Amino acid sequence: DSGVTQTPKHLITATGQRVTLRCSPRSGDLSVYWYQQSLDQGLQFLIQYYNGEERAKGNILERFSAQQFPDLHSELNLSSLELGDSALYFCASSPLAGGNEQFFGPGTRLTVL
Amino acid sequence: LAKTTQPISMDSYEGQEVNITCSHNNIATNDYITWYQQFPSQGPRFIIQGYKTKVTNEVASLFIPADRKSSTLSLPRVSLSDTAVYYCLVGEADRGSTLGRLYFGRGTQLTVWP
Repeated sequence: DSGVTQTPKHLITATGQRVTLRCSPRSGDLSVYWYQQSLDQGLQFLIQYYNGEERAKGNILERFSAQQFPDLHSELNLSSLELGDSALYFCASSPLAGGNEQFFGPGTRLTVL
Repeated sequence: LAKTTQPISMDSYEGQEVNITCSHNNIATNDYITWYQQFPSQGPRFIIQGYKTKVTNEVASLFIPADRKSSTLSLPRVSLSDTAVYYCLVGEADRGSTLGRLYFGRGTQLTVWP
């Protein structure tokens, strides 16, 4: 158990819909990262927040957005969902803004029908 | 971040030592080498990190030659539960200043047979 929690574990929705994925980092960790893992693209970095502020952006679509709240939990919002958005979404956290050791949550499996 | 190249898959038997080699010809002076392990439908898990020579922890050893253009993850006496995908990443580990994004390649699928 990494100490990072993600909800929900599974999510099934339809195209065009909007969903919110939630992540609680390890106690004391200030950075939260979001990753998408699909069969054809592998594990892709989406976005990083550090102490409430956006720190780095990766391959995140404009239909997707995220935020980190004062209590340091984070939410990833996915809108206008397409079939291709079906994937595992992982959240990770780390104590500081950088470094190569991140602690990953169990993931949320999103299925878009 | 430096690009890495590692085998797509490897097979081994229980009890054997497994060595997975990663090439990173364009590694920069400030880059560290990090390995992650991922089981199906789980998030990646940090295994080990090093800069040069040899690093060992309770799970694995990491061998890095002097030119640092490659590295080898060594798993001693593997068991069935070591079947997983192993990722090699190269990037700065300076926690004070670097961005935290990690670039995962396709990794190496290690399958351990009884």
